[in-house]
Amino acid sequence: GAVVSQHPSRVICKSGTSVKIECRSLDFQATTMFWYRQFPKKSLMLMATSNEGSKATYEQGVEKDKFLINHASLTLSTLTVTSAHPEDSSFYICSARDLVGGETQYFGPGTRLLVL
Amino acid sequence: AQSVSQHNHHVILSEAASLELGCNYSYGGTVNLFWYVQYPGQHLQLLLKYFSGDPLVKGIKGFEAEFIKSKFSFNLRKPSVQWSDTAEYFCAVNEGNAGKSTFGDGTTLTVKP
Repeated sequence: GAVVSQHPSRVICKSGTSVKIECRSLDFQATTMFWYRQFPKKSLMLMATSNEGSKATYEQGVEKDKFLINHASLTLSTLTVTSAHPEDSSFYICSARDLVGGETQYFGPGTRLLVL
Repeated sequence: AQSVSQHNHHVILSEAASLELGCNYSYGGTVNLFWYVQYPGQHLQLLLKYFSGDPLVKGIKGFEAEFIKSKFSFNLRKPSVQWSDTAEYFCAVNEGNAGKSTFGDGTTLTVKP
């Protein structure tokens, strides 16, 4: 089956620093990837849609200058949390859409970010 | 805007009991419907999906879901649950070719051995 990886799986950083999270589709090409944020005991909140070779589309209320998304290739999208603050601590999940499978999204294992 | 409602926040069942988890959505147009499962400590996995055709879809591990267009519903069922079905279940709706999915708040299923 389609596999999506994320790196790192968890990261601890100081307030004010930037953190980059990678999302890779390992065995398929993904023209579209999605970035979600999951709060404890809550559902996934879509942050942005990342399209290969073009600018990401951000959901309402998500600061695009704070959450920089780059989708440079058909298998890699990155999310950079800039000038991180403790309130950015969360579980970030990416997914990649396999067009061959028809609109199905395959999810990465997530990245736990803790900002001190 | 699209919304997805999962009425059951936490369901507790004994093994061999039957399961039905509700999911309703608000979009009136063409939709693709999904159920995902997140086992403890693991990432989201697709259980089943509906795009078109037979409204009763069968997924992995004995799960099935029925799309009832008139009720805007896509309820998940399993006739006999197992302890290993303990997990978080998410319903998601994708508006045709829009690409992005809207998720429900999830239902925590606890199956007692």
